[in-house]
Amino acid sequence: GQNIDQPTEMTATEGAIVQINCTYQTSGFNGLFWYQQHAGEAPTFLSYNVLDGLEEKGRFSSFLSRSKGYSYLLLKELQMKDSASYLCAGVDSNYQLIWGAGTKLIIKP
Amino acid sequence: DTGVSQNPRHKITKRGQNVTFRCDPISEHNRLYWYRQTLGQGPEFLTYFQNEAQLEKSRLLSDRFSAERPKGSFSTLEIQRTEQGDSAMYLCASSPSLRDTGELFFGEGSRLTVL
Repeated sequence: GQNIDQPTEMTATEGAIVQINCTYQTSGFNGLFWYQQHAGEAPTFLSYNVLDGLEEKGRFSSFLSRSKGYSYLLLKELQMKDSASYLCAGVDSNYQLIWGAGTKLIIKP
Repeated sequence: DTGVSQNPRHKITKRGQNVTFRCDPISEHNRLYWYRQTLGQGPEFLTYFQNEAQLEKSRLLSDRFSAERPKGSFSTLEIQRTEQGDSAMYLCASSPSLRDTGELFFGEGSRLTVL
């Protein structure tokens, strides 16, 4: 079967760094997405990885290891506005997204 | 605004009634997706269109659900004889083609409450 696992909730302090992990099992693999979703709003695109390695984009970075079926999203210099759910989604062989349940990130002052 | 547009944003209905949601994707996008999302869960795939063709429909989708994209532009999602379990946020997303850009653009969603 296809499955995406990520922690349900994490807490971090403003100004700190947090890493949100995601493991995936998909039938075929055509990349992995990270989306941010604030409460009551639609998901917004953060990153897409299809090759192994780290991709940095400002305060956010995303890492992929295809051999391990593993990805993480790294958030630096946390701000209160980063409080949101972070959704991991794998792309299967049919180019369909398999979504995780999301990780709710709580930022404390 | 040239983003994905959905309406109505909120719909409250009584059990047994029919509801219809509309999605206007970004104009040059040929793929359109419908998802359902409940609190604390990720989006659940319902169906998607490549232009006007409905290419896949989730096995979880009962025959009370139907979606159309008649001219390959806007799409509608109809739920007949609504049940309380249908209460959720219904998200529409579009993309030029997943293989090209690797990004879905989501609308703000239509929140359904079935009493």
